[in-house]
Amino acid sequence: DGGITQSPKYLFRKEGQNVTLSCEQNLNHDAMYWYRQDPGQGLRLIYYSQIVNDFQQGDIAEGYRVSREKKESFPLTVTSAQKNPTAFYLCATAGTGTSYEQYFGPGTRLTVT
Amino acid sequence: GDSVTQMEGPVTLSEEAFLTINCTYTATGYPSLFWYVQYPGEGLQLLLKATKADDKGSNKGFEATYRKETTSFHLEKGSVQVSDSAVYFCAPLSGGYNKLIFGAGTRLAVHP
Repeated sequence: DGGITQSPKYLFRKEGQNVTLSCEQNLNHDAMYWYRQDPGQGLRLIYYSQIVNDFQQGDIAEGYRVSREKKESFPLTVTSAQKNPTAFYLCATAGTGTSYEQYFGPGTRLTVT
Repeated sequence: GDSVTQMEGPVTLSEEAFLTINCTYTATGYPSLFWYVQYPGEGLQLLLKATKADDKGSNKGFEATYRKETTSFHLEKGSVQVSDSAVYFCAPLSGGYNKLIFGAGTRLAVHP
């Protein structure tokens, strides 16, 4: 079954701790993306990667880290430097076809108290 | 920079009513255009797309036509169902690095 998995669905952390969100795909897509969604808001791009071992900052990268050591995986670390980490985090992938549509995972809801 | 404007929600309709959700965008050139739908607590699902001017995307009774003259991509459905209740996002593709541009989305609530 092809798709994108994000785990866990819900994550709770104390302030001051780093936390890593998982994103795995078996769609053989080259590009992967991390978005943040706040209540009643659209999505904002955190980081993206077009190819293994390469990634670029999106619009709100401060306080976040990523790695892309394998094509299938693009984990996101929310560090203690992120001032407002509580949000819904969405991972997406895209192939390199003609329209570059993105496919989204089910998301991880992170709550930091 | 590139941007998208959607009509503010919530849009509240009775079952079987006609739906229009307006979307206009500003972008360089003629980007591919997408509509995504998000059900509560879930990720986004691709609803339909159009890749060039005058293309009509369609899926599950929803339609949208790429109008380059008015830079619009309005979403329509002839007869909505309660199960269509969700948040809908219009998203043009920014050419620089295949980045989707999202607005705040439009919440649709359909009542029986």
